Amino acid sequence: DVKVTQSSRYLVKRTGEKVFLECVQDMDHENMFWYRQDPGLGLRLIYFSYDVKMKEKGDIPEGYSVSREKKERFSLILESASTNQTSMYLCASSFVLGDQPQHFGDGTRLSIL
Amino acid sequence: AQSVAQPEDQVNVAEGNPLTVKCTYSVSGNPYLFWYVQYPNRGLQFLLKYITGDNLVKGSYGFEAEFNKSQTSFHLKKPSALVSDSALYFCAVSPDQTGANNLFFGTGTRLTVIP
Repeated sequence: DVKVTQSSRYLVKRTGEKVFLECVQDMDHENMFWYRQDPGLGLRLIYFSYDVKMKEKGDIPEGYSVSREKKERFSLILESASTNQTSMYLCASSFVLGDQPQHFGDGTRLSIL
Repeated sequence: AQSVAQPEDQVNVAEGNPLTVKCTYSVSGNPYLFWYVQYPNRGLQFLLKYITGDNLVKGSYGFEAEFNKSQTSFHLKKPSALVSDSALYFCAVSPDQTGANNLFFGTGTRLTVIP
């Protein structure tokens, strides 16, 4: 089975802190994605990566950055956390072809106080 | 612009009755269509996909979905609902037939199966 592991299930941080969310996949997938999920808004893409050291902005990249130094690991960085970044964050991975499903981690529920 | 609509925020159905969760999409070309399910405090799990061919697609846990090109719909169905089917369901479309496999998600439909 595909395993996408997010480092924390719950995280509480303070406004202005630099926050790191980590994601690891074990299926040698080329693509990796970061989404945030908010009630009534569904999933919104923050960033994605289709190869090591490659990244592309999604729909809502402002206030976030990403890092992909190894194929299996994709990190989301909140440079200076703000309360409006309180949300559920979901990582996903997939093979490169468009007909392949994305596989998701269990999410990190992040609260910014 | 690509978009996915799930017109019902909430669907309630009695256990044993058939269920339908609706999805319509707007995308150029021939899309790939997906359904995912999310249980509480979990990530999304893949249920089924439509790529090409037969308009009726079968997936996990007894779910199926019907692709209708003229109505641009991809409704999720199950002949007999179980209480354990209660969850949040997402429809998604991939307009890319090659490349980065970006998905556009609907806003989700919460299914409640009443015992």
